[in-house]
Amino acid sequence: DAMVIQNPRYQVTQFGKPVTLSCSQTLNHNVMYWYQQKSSQAPKLLFHYYDKDFNNEADTPDNFQSRRPNTSFCFLDIRSPGLGDAAMYLCATSSGTAVPEAFFGQGTRLTVV
Amino acid sequence: EDKVVQSPLSLVVHEGDTVTLNCSYEVTNFRSLLWYKQEKKAPTFLFMLTSSGIEKKSGRLSSILDKKELFSILNITATQTGDSAVYLCAAPRQGAQKLVFGQGTRLTINP
Repeated sequence: DAMVIQNPRYQVTQFGKPVTLSCSQTLNHNVMYWYQQKSSQAPKLLFHYYDKDFNNEADTPDNFQSRRPNTSFCFLDIRSPGLGDAAMYLCATSSGTAVPEAFFGQGTRLTVV
Repeated sequence: EDKVVQSPLSLVVHEGDTVTLNCSYEVTNFRSLLWYKQEKKAPTFLFMLTSSGIEKKSGRLSSILDKKELFSILNITATQTGDSAVYLCAAPRQGAQKLVFGQGTRLTINP
């Protein structure tokens, strides 16, 4: 089945130690998103790629970076994780056409110790 | 600023009850509104609404959009414990590329 896959499902990292979360998709969608969701809060968009074009949200900290080496893969890099970065990170894709439905991966729950 | 607001934030009912969840929105160049269900992991898509007054149904769930009053409701009839989840509504901005989410309604169904 076509899907959005995130790895790992759970990630524990040390304060200040760089960490990378990965996302792959078999939907061949143009758009890939990274959302941060903290407990009991709505998902917050960090950035998205439309094909190779990177679009950063104005309030996304510089500590968060992303790479999209090809259509299928997208990575979220957190350069120096702080305790406040502990959250669920959701990757999503959409076709980028008039249909806005986003397909989500299972999420990666990041713990910072 | 585009925003989506859901109410109530939390709701606890007994199995078999009917619930109504609310979502109001202010989004530039509004085109559609989406409902998602989120259990312990990623949101799963329920409905997309684009036209006023047309009800979308899927089993016990139904949703309707009012473009004049800028809101949508999600109804769940004959609730079951498996309906317990956070229900999110979202509206795309900047064309179809970005989804703005509401805070979610945490629904708990007690047996």
